[in-house]
Amino acid sequence: GENVEQHPSTLSVQEGDSAVIKCTYSDSASNYFPWYKQELGKGPQLIIDIRSNVGEKKDQRIAVTLNKTAKHFSLHITETQPEDSAVYFCAASQDSGYSTLTFGKGTMLLVSP
Amino acid sequence: DAGITQSPRHKVTETGTPVTLRCHQTENHRYMYWYRQDPGHGLRLIHYSYGVKDTDKGEVSDGYSVSRSKTEDFLLTLESATSSQTSVYFCAISERPTEQFFGPGTRLTVL
Repeated sequence: GENVEQHPSTLSVQEGDSAVIKCTYSDSASNYFPWYKQELGKGPQLIIDIRSNVGEKKDQRIAVTLNKTAKHFSLHITETQPEDSAVYFCAASQDSGYSTLTFGKGTMLLVSP
Repeated sequence: DAGITQSPRHKVTETGTPVTLRCHQTENHRYMYWYRQDPGHGLRLIHYSYGVKDTDKGEVSDGYSVSRSKTEDFLLTLESATSSQTSVYFCAISERPTEQFFGPGTRLTVL
């Protein structure tokens, strides 16, 4: 089955800096890669996703890049703000049939004012 | 939370007792999922459903059963709760097997 590795497990940055979280996956058949943000005491929230026919996707201050050859994808957050502090999860799956998401173990991002 | 509610939100129970958690959606989505979240393990899939009365096992299904008798409800049952099942449980829904939307979670403590 699919295996997703996520790094780093914790990341501390100063407000205004950029943050990058990286994930690798094992199943070359995976073609859908979402990122979730989880604030304390809440459920994960889908913030951005990318499919394998696209190399990069942006939404305001966040972007995701995908390297299918190397089987890794990354989340980039620019101009970080304290409200970006949360746990971020990457995941991978195939966009077909009864496939399911496999999640990384998460990255705790702390943005200091 | 995309029209998803979970009940109860918190529960404390004793080892050996049965426990049922409920997930209710108002989105009419086809797929429903149960995950557990534990420190150091991220989110792990317990069971999922791809339609009424159609369910399948996930990565950590031992000790859990599920039922889905109507589109909007997905029940997770712990037949005989153990301390290792102390966790936060999340329900998720999706219309396709990709974009999943999560509920607020249920914190379960088994003493």
